[in-house]
Amino acid sequence: DAGVTQSPTHLIKTRGQHVTLRCSPISGHKSVSWYQQVLGQGPQFIFQYYEKEERGRGNFPDRFSARQFPNYSSELNVNALLLGDSALYLCASRISQGVQYGYTFGSGTRLTVV
Amino acid sequence: EDKVVQSPLSLVVHEGDTVTLNCSYEVTNFRSLLWYKQEKKAPTFLFMLTSSGIEKKSGRLSSILDKKELFSILNITATQTGDSAVYLCASNDKLIFGTGTRLQVFP
Repeated sequence: DAGVTQSPTHLIKTRGQHVTLRCSPISGHKSVSWYQQVLGQGPQFIFQYYEKEERGRGNFPDRFSARQFPNYSSELNVNALLLGDSALYLCASRISQGVQYGYTFGSGTRLTVV
Repeated sequence: EDKVVQSPLSLVVHEGDTVTLNCSYEVTNFRSLLWYKQEKKAPTFLFMLTSSGIEKKSGRLSSILDKKELFSILNITATQTGDSAVYLCASNDKLIFGTGTRLQVFP
């Protein structure tokens, strides 16, 4: 079985541009969450989606948006990129909501803003 | 504001040593605490703890939760070079992460 897959693996963008990151969850997983990990820090929660609805949002500006599709894949969009958006963006999926279900992480997209 | 704090930030040991990693948390409506190992990119799941005082074990790794004192520890016995990684703890449904402990094990 394929794990959580993210694309692209690496990306270089210029300040002010827009970027779309993609995530395909494990088959059967209906919940997807996004995290931003800056070098030397732990991952920081951005969004959580379940059954195509937003179920949580972290402390990120409105330049960050996301959505989940009927096949449970997800996109993270970032507008008006800043140098500070350079980070590893991680996607995690799980079967359903509820504390008893653990998350599986993808390998991430490394975004560099120049 | 919910927060998770890990200590130490960095640890350097020799193979065979035993290490203890600490994680304290202050989160509203605490539900669970999770430990992950991150070697390169994808954090890999180690333990999920929801009940106080019940030790979870997997090989040389073990972890326990104290809900009264709001902390958890991760123990690794007889460390190996393959244990070198960043160890992350996270709390609750949306995963509030600490900054991680970087463990380096030298032969």
